[in-house]
Amino acid sequence: ILNVEQSPQSLHVQEGDSTNFTCSFPSSNFYALHWYRWETAKSPEALFVMTLNGDEKKKGRISATLNTKEGYSYLYIKGSQPEDSATYLCAYQTGANNLFFGTGTRLTVIP
Amino acid sequence: DAGVTQSPTHLIKTRGQQVTLRCSPKSGHDTVSWYQQALGQGPQFIFQYYEEEERQRGNFPDRFSGHQFPNYSSELNVNALLLGDSALYLCASSLLGLAGARFFGPGTRLTVL
Repeated sequence: ILNVEQSPQSLHVQEGDSTNFTCSFPSSNFYALHWYRWETAKSPEALFVMTLNGDEKKKGRISATLNTKEGYSYLYIKGSQPEDSATYLCAYQTGANNLFFGTGTRLTVIP
Repeated sequence: DAGVTQSPTHLIKTRGQQVTLRCSPKSGHDTVSWYQQALGQGPQFIFQYYEEEERQRGNFPDRFSGHQFPNYSSELNVNALLLGDSALYLCASSLLGLAGARFFGPGTRLTVL
């Protein structure tokens, strides 16, 4: 079982604040790193899939970076909005094609 | 284009019973993976099906079995249910061999009493 750790576990921010979360993963047998957003009562939704060391991806106000050598990824949200409230999951993909998930960071944006 | 669908939405069973959960993948996807999410945990990989065969398996006992049909839909079967099997079961579809995003269904909430 591969250990994927996310921090913090939960986070409350004011609307308009920027925030970031961390995902740590094993640096061996790396194939890809996934980020998903999971809103209550909905399905997890893919945000990013990153494969190369130094990758940076952006979607609107959300961006992510990847460091495969040291085994971490950061997810950034700029100017948080109430609709950003969700659990953010990262998952490490090995060459074997299955995903190992962290426990997630639960973000609450207070209006 | 329908996304990933799962049925049923909720299910209540008693210890020792058997259960079957169903998943239809996103159109065009050939691979189905199943995950179990217990309370307070991240999703845990159960197994993956491609071309009607189990290709990979996570750390789950043989009580957990599955099937994939020619139309790529899939079933997850759990025998001899234990209280600890109570969880949200997620199905995800993808294309085999690619570092592509998984498309998840809404899950089936299983409660074992």
